[in-house]
Amino acid sequence: DVVMTQSPLSLPVTLGQPASISCRSSQGLVYSDGNTYLHWFQQRPGQSPRRLIYKVSNRDSGVPDRFSGSGSGTDFTLKISRVEAEDVGIYYCMQGTHWPFTFGPGTRVEI
Amino acid sequence: EVQLVESGGGLVQPGGCLRLSCAVSGFTFSTYWMHWVRQAPGKGLVWVSRINSDGSTTNYADFVKGRFTISRDNAKNTLYLQMNSLRAEDTAVYYCVRGGVEFWGQGTLVTVSS
Repeated sequence: DVVMTQSPLSLPVTLGQPASISCRSSQGLVYSDGNTYLHWFQQRPGQSPRRLIYKVSNRDSGVPDRFSGSGSGTDFTLKISRVEAEDVGIYYCMQGTHWPFTFGPGTRVEI
Repeated sequence: EVQLVESGGGLVQPGGCLRLSCAVSGFTFSTYWMHWVRQAPGKGLVWVSRINSDGSTTNYADFVKGRFTISRDNAKNTLYLQMNSLRAEDTAVYYCVRGGVEFWGQGTLVTVSS
């Protein structure tokens, strides 16, 4: 199975300041169709996961533009340009290239 | 509006069985892969199973192979997960997820305990 690692696992943030989460995969994530199925999810307390970023760098509808994704190969990054109070939660990267799909352990973002 | 509504969770004894359902609306169910993902209390997300659009292809995580069966009824717009030989470690919230992973249900809690 592809192992996804994230760092840090806990991220204290200051409102209005930037934040960054790193995600690494144990194998490359380029699928045979040329796409890289690396996604980012936010899970607020008591809620279902919400996809923020799909295929490395594409923001989902309704996601604020302060969220951005980048990376290639086995190294990926989620950035929040200016943290807001509503961004508190756990962030997961996930690979959908190799079955079984796998998630990172999650990064807890707290103010 | 896309909606996925899980049901069927509850308390079951070790060795018991449950069938989860996921009723969907707002999209053409018969054209999408569907997935089950679970999350143990206070833990991370783990993929359980997936099924292709016509039900002819299924895949399972190793830890449920031979115990869980995913299926679907495209006429009823419903996804299922039959869970047999349940263990304490199967205790989790089970989410129904549409292929593409952009839409998730609210989850249904399965508790395996004596």
